Amino acid sequence: DADVTQTPRNRITKTGKRIMLECSQTKGHDRMYWYRQDPGLGLRLIYYSFDVKDINKGEISDGYSVSRQAQAKFSLSLESAIPNQTALYFCATSDPSGQGSYGYTFGSGTRLTVV
Amino acid sequence: AQSVTQPDIHITVSEGASLELRCNYSYGATPYLFWYVQSPGQGLQLLLKYFSGDTLVQGIKGFEAEFKRSQSSFNLRKPSVHWSDAAEYFCAVALSGGYNKLIFGAGTRLAVHP
Repeated sequence: DADVTQTPRNRITKTGKRIMLECSQTKGHDRMYWYRQDPGLGLRLIYYSFDVKDINKGEISDGYSVSRQAQAKFSLSLESAIPNQTALYFCATSDPSGQGSYGYTFGSGTRLTVV
Repeated sequence: AQSVTQPDIHITVSEGASLELRCNYSYGATPYLFWYVQSPGQGLQLLLKYFSGDTLVQGIKGFEAEFKRSQSSFNLRKPSVHWSDAAEYFCAVALSGGYNKLIFGAGTRLAVHP
């Protein structure tokens, strides 16, 4: 099994619909992140969570919400999807230990299309 | 404001040629520095990272990067490119000693001609 699993891999939804993207990890990391990737813009941080009770907005959180159901699960919701939320979404975890590796482990991504 | 700049959106090289991808950052303190690669349809894979010490770091797949504090740069290099290196490359930074949020550059797409 992959260390970070995202579901679904691909999704097409209509404008105005609510949609949830799910992420689960087996790394045992406390820190989890949701990023959005758009061509020419790289990855931008939507939300991040340092533990189950600590959730923070990233640089582009408008129109999104998250839920940290457990250490291993971090879901991203689009309450009312709009076409400019069409993008590739990545979930990631990171090593929480001090200097540690700071290495992120990324999921394979969810390609979301809003029509 | 904190930022990461990758000046080259697209680069094309011939197989066997050398490669250098540029990355500049703007931070008040010395950040932790990373290079990631994304192959078509795939997630991101860590190539290498710099925290401190020797400013020339070696990574996987024959890549290396050099941290130059005076230039606020962390350029990625490879002496001989293979066709399988065609991918998108992202430079990223995280503030040292902090909450290790990664800030990414916009990416450089590498094409390799046979």
